[in-house]
Amino acid sequence: DQQVKQNSPSLSVQEGRISILNCDYTNSMFDYFLWYKKYPAEGPTFLISISSIKDKNEDGRFTVFLNKSAKHLSLHIVPSQPGDSAVYFCAATNSGYSTLTFGKGTMLLVSP
Amino acid sequence: DSGVTQTPKHLITATGQRVTLRCSPRSGDLSVYWYQQSLDQGLQFLIQYYNGEERAKGNILERFSAQQFPDLHSELNLSSLELGDSALYFCASSVGLAETGELFFGEGSRLTVL
Repeated sequence: DQQVKQNSPSLSVQEGRISILNCDYTNSMFDYFLWYKKYPAEGPTFLISISSIKDKNEDGRFTVFLNKSAKHLSLHIVPSQPGDSAVYFCAATNSGYSTLTFGKGTMLLVSP
Repeated sequence: DSGVTQTPKHLITATGQRVTLRCSPRSGDLSVYWYQQSLDQGLQFLIQYYNGEERAKGNILERFSAQQFPDLHSELNLSSLELGDSALYFCASSVGLAETGELFFGEGSRLTVL
């Protein structure tokens, strides 16, 4: 039973346009959500997070939106750059437990 | 560079064998986590140690075991290996219990079981 789902295995976007990566979750106990980015041959690196008490968090070109009623979050990258090409993992946690549940990832390709 | 070191980077072995993967966390981090990434799968949480004690257990098989030593490095032992154990094994660390989920990952150890 996948508690965190990323239904799009891949996404292609042109440089300068917006990239929108989606994530759905099923566990109502999750109260903290994160996005990790992974380049080939490297480990995942933390990108941005959002607490369940918020519905939006911004960090430069990256914004995460949380819709708790729909159990859905999305990552917006504006404008997209070729260096953003990577696999993006959505993750969630119940902050009382400190372990992460990851989705399968979405491979983003930003073409010049 | 996350500061988390994993060895070996690549390992090829045969079914039925036993291997040990090693992880050195970032300086000062007390928590170590092990995750497995199989083909077409997300990262699956295996086990967490905090300051030498097992803190949380995920989908870790009985054939797998781990420990965290007094110097805080950790080892993941995989025994009676099967083809399906072929995967990328990541170690991550955090200062404390990382209640908000920010972990620092190593580059992973790729295990191939033939």
